[in-house]
Amino acid sequence: NAGVTQTPKFQVLKTGQSMTLQCAQDMNHNSMYWYRQDPGMGLRLIYYSASEGTTDKGEVPNGYNVSRLNKREFSLRLESAAPSQTSVYFCASSSPDIFYGYTFGSGTRLTVV
Amino acid sequence: SQQGEEDPQALSIQEGENATMNCSYKTSINNLQWYRQNSGRGLVHLILIRSNEREKHSGRLRVTLDTSKKSSSLLITASRAADTASYFCATDRSGYSTLTFGKGTMLLVSP
Repeated sequence: NAGVTQTPKFQVLKTGQSMTLQCAQDMNHNSMYWYRQDPGMGLRLIYYSASEGTTDKGEVPNGYNVSRLNKREFSLRLESAAPSQTSVYFCASSSPDIFYGYTFGSGTRLTVV
Repeated sequence: SQQGEEDPQALSIQEGENATMNCSYKTSINNLQWYRQNSGRGLVHLILIRSNEREKHSGRLRVTLDTSKKSSSLLITASRAADTASYFCATDRSGYSTLTFGKGTMLLVSP
């Protein structure tokens, strides 16, 4: 099925551990995004990639790094996890035709203890 | 910072009733979009309205946009239990290449 695939779906980390969240899309979209969703805060943009080979910071980039591996894949890395990074992480992608909006993955629920 | 703010935060109605959600934003926009999120799932794009449009329809959805008041409304007519979800507005601000989301309205439609 065409769409955005995120792995893993759930993860528990200890403070200080590192991990990489994976995201892949098969819609040939140019742009990809990482958002985090916290209760009462809505979605906040962490990083985005307007096209292959480019990445830019969003609203809340501290503590995260990203890699646009190729047109399909955009990964998010937590180098040293902190409890404040407990959240649900969503990857999304979009084409230049804004009419169709963003296509979101099903999310990764991360708990840092 | 949040660009869009939805109102109300939560809305509870009976099946068959209409549901209206509002969104206010702060700066000039190119377009405004509405998304739905079912519990535990990702967001799904519902409809987009451009800054030069005032009203748009899609099935049971009706969206209005008032750029002078910097506000939008989403009307869902003849609600069904399956419409139970959170609804978010998102703005594509002038000069920016990403969407900024509001905090959402939780809609509960009871049978």
